[in-house]
Amino acid sequence: LAKTTQPISMDSYEGQEVNITCSHNNIATNDYITWYQQFPSQGPRFIIQGYKTKVTNEVASLFIPADRKSSTLSLPRVSLSDTAVYYCLVGYSGAGSYQLTFGKGTKLSVIP
Amino acid sequence: SQTIHQWPATLVQPVGSPLSLECTVEGTSNPNLYWYRQAAGRGLQLLFYSVGIGQISSEVPQNLSASRPQDRQFILSSKKLLLSDSGFYLCAWTRVAGELFFGEGSRLTVL
Repeated sequence: LAKTTQPISMDSYEGQEVNITCSHNNIATNDYITWYQQFPSQGPRFIIQGYKTKVTNEVASLFIPADRKSSTLSLPRVSLSDTAVYYCLVGYSGAGSYQLTFGKGTKLSVIP
Repeated sequence: SQTIHQWPATLVQPVGSPLSLECTVEGTSNPNLYWYRQAAGRGLQLLFYSVGIGQISSEVPQNLSASRPQDRQFILSSKKLLLSDSGFYLCAWTRVAGELFFGEGSRLTVL
């Protein structure tokens, strides 16, 4: 049973805001929601992490509703260099629960 | 600061040959360590994780094995490689809460 579901791909023009939603209906109480960015032939890179409500850092925002069954990664004003695969990871590496399993990810293509 | 290193970066091996990929972490202690594999154009498949020396959990039954001989060393091995073992292998570490830090990756081609 997949822990997360994301759109397979998205296209966006440069300068637009992009929102990628991840569904995680079976999220556990201890689970955090973490988003990663991956370029070809590189390991995924941490973007942002949250547990509930809204988190913002210098590159993205993460919106988590009260029921925590989904989350939305928001990338403001994307550029061509944001073309990558984005993964939503739900899990918690501790207290007997260590499987950190990635979903299929969302391939974002930014168009000039 | 913490760093993670993997080697070799690239490997071309014949079918039936052995494999050894090594991963080391610096700047932290007692990390949880992970091996993932990514086939061409696919997502990340969790292969093994380890929460301590000598403690290995396997997620996918196959001809690969993992070992953790030291706190910050994680090794992925195979006695006989298959064509289907080709892929991009990534080692990662975390303390808690799902924030993984990945190495540079090792690209394996089995011919």
